[in-house]
Amino acid sequence: GAGVSQSPRYKVAKRGQDVALRCDPISGHVSLFWYQQALGQGPEFLTYFQNEAQLDKSGLPSDRFFAERPEGSVSTLKIQRTQQEDSAVYLCASSFTRDGNTIYFGEGSWLTVV
Amino acid sequence: AQSVTQPDIHITVSEGASLELRCNYSYGATPYLFWYVQSPGQGLQLLLKYFSGDTLVQGIKGFEAEFKRSQSSFNLRKPSVHWSDAAEYFCAVGAGGAAGNKLTFGGGTRVLVKP
Repeated sequence: GAGVSQSPRYKVAKRGQDVALRCDPISGHVSLFWYQQALGQGPEFLTYFQNEAQLDKSGLPSDRFFAERPEGSVSTLKIQRTQQEDSAVYLCASSFTRDGNTIYFGEGSWLTVV
Repeated sequence: AQSVTQPDIHITVSEGASLELRCNYSYGATPYLFWYVQSPGQGLQLLLKYFSGDTLVQGIKGFEAEFKRSQSSFNLRKPSVHWSDAAEYFCAVGAGGAAGNKLTFGGGTRVLVKP
């Protein structure tokens, strides 16, 4: 596709439910990032992939958060046993180069945990 | 650790007036600096970036930013704002290289444009 595509765009989950958020990066992009943006705040880094390798997961807030990119293209961010503090916009971004020279963001997946 | 501070949470500006958004960063080496804009319900759009070279960088939509190493600043400017510039603006710093340019964002500045 022309840009980074994320789905679902909006998700309402009951507390304790598991959710999966999908990211389709721009074709051929090597680097893929996940960010979490709470209401009224700037995005915060969660994790980074270079192809299928997860090189940095230092931003994942707990072991309930898990990300994968098994074939080096599509990525899934999974949140287990969701809690209210997980409510946020989850942004995916990709870059053609390994050094992330120019990073393109998707429109985000809005997660509300009730 | 790298950090970014955007001192102004909100700025209101009249249409046609000039705009300057402040950004201060903390980083141990030469930073990669970015400005992004986010309209309501949308993702982030890159306005401009600085990696090296000329410290005054031009971006899209008539924006420019100036890197001042001595002040650890990367302020964004536009000479004449349009109503469509109303949005939230984020400054970010990245490490580049093996870090893949993991970005650290400021808290954002929301710009309101008065007619």
